[in-house]
Amino acid sequence: EPEVTQTPSHQVTQMGQEVILRCVPISNHLYFYWYRQILGQKVEFLVSFYNNEISEKSEIFDDQFSVERPDGSNFTLKIRSTKLEDSAMYFCASSDVAGSNQPQHFGDGTRLSIL
Amino acid sequence: GENVEQHPSTLSVQEGDSAVIKCTYSDSASNYFPWYKQELGKGPQLIIDIRSNVGEKKDQRIAVTLNKTAKHFSLHITETQPEDSAVYFCAASTGTPLVFGKGTRLSVIA
Repeated sequence: EPEVTQTPSHQVTQMGQEVILRCVPISNHLYFYWYRQILGQKVEFLVSFYNNEISEKSEIFDDQFSVERPDGSNFTLKIRSTKLEDSAMYFCASSDVAGSNQPQHFGDGTRLSIL
Repeated sequence: GENVEQHPSTLSVQEGDSAVIKCTYSDSASNYFPWYKQELGKGPQLIIDIRSNVGEKKDQRIAVTLNKTAKHFSLHITETQPEDSAVYFCAASTGTPLVFGKGTRLSVIA
């Protein structure tokens, strides 16, 4: 069964550094998302991406964050000037229909630890 | 914005018994309600979903019910097995972003 893959599984970074989290969505999917889960808290929406542009973003997704689809398969989340509070699990998801309320399929996440 | 509450936070059942997890949502415009199962070290896996134009949906041992008037929806797992042990998340959506509940840790005791 096709799946969303994320790399790395665990990233440890010094505060203030930049990190790039990578995702390969399911190949025929058109909508891409990033969510995050701080330990013990809810999974929170960050951003959705369609047709090479951001379609929706949350208050969390400020100028510190950016997303990119550099080629036909990868979807990346860049976090600049990382802070301790950026430590969380980051999940990528994708859906196959260009519309709302379609099933979103998640990757296994990247655990980001900021020291 | 939408707010989703999920109960209970932990649930232990004997193997073979049923498990019920309940969620409430605040935005009456929400029209899509998926349930995810998350095993240790894995991402959320979609197990069943329901849209607001139906009241119940079933898939083998799993069923979901939706009460739009009361703004709550529930996950029912029958004949539970040890491999059902995981964290279960409900979510609600009025559009693209999913708003998640805080999760229920289900333990099925053999």
